[in-house]
Amino acid sequence: DGGITQSPKYLFRKEGQNVTLSCEQNLNHDAMYWYRQDPGQGLRLIYYSQIVNDFQKGDIAEGYSVSREKKESFPLTVTSAQKNPTAFYLCASSIPRQGASDGYTFGSGTRLTVV
Amino acid sequence: KQEVTQIPAALSVPEGENLVLNCSFTDSAIYNLQWFRQDPGKGLTSLLLIQSSQREQTSGRLNASLDKSSGRSTLYIAASQPGDSATYLCAVSHDRGSTLGRLYFGRGTQLTVWP
Repeated sequence: DGGITQSPKYLFRKEGQNVTLSCEQNLNHDAMYWYRQDPGQGLRLIYYSQIVNDFQKGDIAEGYSVSREKKESFPLTVTSAQKNPTAFYLCASSIPRQGASDGYTFGSGTRLTVV
Repeated sequence: KQEVTQIPAALSVPEGENLVLNCSFTDSAIYNLQWFRQDPGKGLTSLLLIQSSQREQTSGRLNASLDKSSGRSTLYIAASQPGDSATYLCAVSHDRGSTLGRLYFGRGTQLTVWP
């Protein structure tokens, strides 16, 4: 079945450590996105990529980095510069042809906790 | 910048009631509007998508309406059931260049339906 796989489901980070969250899709979608969700908050966009080898900063990109070397993969690195990384991270993909942003599919999320 | 607001933030009702969840957005130049469901600790599941040229969409006991000019959408849930308990998120997209495909989310309405 086609879908998005996020791993790991739970991740613990020590102070000063970089960690990488994995996101893989087999939907043949061009666009991929990373959102952050905090309790009682809506989803906020971290980074997005509309095509391989290209990505754009979202609203809260500071302290995060991404790469898009393959169409299927969009890993997110939470660096030590991100001062409050504890949150629920959601990856999504879609088909962003001109005027068509439907077909949005979300992964099941990674919960990151700083210890 | 697009701002999406959802009212109420939380709702608790007995089984069988008909419900209305509200969503408003500040920039009416949207491409489409989606309603999502999120269960605790899970990803998002798309419920209904309304294109900007449409007025409403229906799926089973769910009906979503869109008044683009006034920047409002409602999600109507008929004959609510305990299984409807979840957080409901509203999101809009634009079809402009660099923001193509990204979604702007409200904070959600947390719904509890008790037997």
